Amino acid sequence: GAVVSQHPSWVICKSGTSVKIECRSLDFQATTMFWYRQFPKQSLMLMATSNEGSKATYEQGVEKDKFLINHASLTLSTLTVTSAHPEDSSFYICSAREPRGAREQFFGPGTRLTVL
Amino acid sequence: GQNIDQPTEMTATEGAIVQINCTYQTSGFNGLFWYQQHAGEAPTFLSYNVLDGLEEKGRFSSFLSRSKGYSYLLLKELQMKDSASYLCAAMDSNYQLIWGAGTKLIIKP
Repeated sequence: GAVVSQHPSWVICKSGTSVKIECRSLDFQATTMFWYRQFPKQSLMLMATSNEGSKATYEQGVEKDKFLINHASLTLSTLTVTSAHPEDSSFYICSAREPRGAREQFFGPGTRLTVL
Repeated sequence: GQNIDQPTEMTATEGAIVQINCTYQTSGFNGLFWYQQHAGEAPTFLSYNVLDGLEEKGRFSSFLSRSKGYSYLLLKELQMKDSASYLCAAMDSNYQLIWGAGTKLIIKP
């Protein structure tokens, strides 16, 4: 099956710093990638949908100036958490979908962010 | 509005069978997904149903009734490694996944 990687797997940073998370589709071209956040014992919460070459679509309540998403190529999307605070500590997961019309999403392994 | 309902937690015995139910309401429908998620890990794909009926894949089967807005995941010959959360997700007319809160399955020896 299709493989999606994420980097880093985990990161610890100080409050006020910015953190960049990369999501790559390794063996297919992903026209659409999704960014999710998951707090402990809760389900996935979609943060935004990014389409290659266009601006991301953010879900209600997600600050687009705080969570910067760039989908510059068909195999790479990045999420930058700017001026991170302890409440941003969470498990961030990306997923990718093959060309338009495909249904299955392939998930990356996730990135655990801890903000001190 | 769009909504997915599934039980919060279920307990079953090793070697037994368990059925996890899911009901959904979406704007349009492009299929129903089941994912397995172990603690601290990302979800992994289990099944996809878009037509009514039962899809069998090894120890796992998934059923869909579009008219009832209902699906279930059936796990047979339960193993301890099946202890995980099982996420139901329905795809709406915009190909967006609407996620349930997940069912935590606890397997006891």
